[in-house]
Amino acid sequence: QVQLQESGPGLVKPSETLSLTCTVSGDSISNYYWTWIRQPAGKGLEWIGRIYTTGSTNRNPSLKSRVTMSVDTSKRQFSLKLSSVTAADTAVYYCARVSMTGSFGMDVWGQGTTVTVSS
Amino acid sequence: DIQMTQSPSSLSASVGDRVTITCRASQSISYYLNWYQQKPGEIPNLLIYAASSLQSGVPSRFSGSGSETDFTLTISSLQPEDFATYYCQQSYNTPWTFGQGTKVEIK
Repeated sequence: QVQLQESGPGLVKPSETLSLTCTVSGDSISNYYWTWIRQPAGKGLEWIGRIYTTGSTNRNPSLKSRVTMSVDTSKRQFSLKLSSVTAADTAVYYCARVSMTGSFGMDVWGQGTTVTVSS
Repeated sequence: DIQMTQSPSSLSASVGDRVTITCRASQSISYYLNWYQQKPGEIPNLLIYAASSLQSGVPSRFSGSGSETDFTLTISSLQPEDFATYYCQQSYNTPWTFGQGTKVEIK
């Protein structure tokens, strides 16, 4: 079955750029939306944005100017960059697949990667 | 942005109880409503999509209902493994938004 795995630095300095990659295995990356969600410790879920395999993106306006997403179908990877990070960006970051049936539920999730913003 | 409001924020219940969690959207979202379960230290798991469709592999004691602005997640007979936090999420418009979560605890 399809599996997702996030990778990237666990520690990022304030004002620098957080970079994460999600690798898809077990299924095609094509013809799906792929999405990023984050969750600060002890808090709820926040949607960061989504990318289609054509490269089309939608980003959360609360983060929009700092978020860049990309996809590399040949590597079965999609990526997130979040610039000018602060301590408020410390969270577990998840990548997820968006089901293309029904109501676009996020049906497959990566295990999550903890990113801490600290000097 | 569409605001999603869940109630209650937490509840205590016993094994075998019927549990109902509600989710209200700040505007109509048709049936574009999903429910997730997240156990402590685990990743979210899609339970219900399109307001009332059971995701593959999810036990039939979970059900969803509603449309437009008012939605409900029901657990017909609470099991020990159901103690978790539940989130609703709208996918009608971007930015997709989540409810604040409902924590189901053991009474």
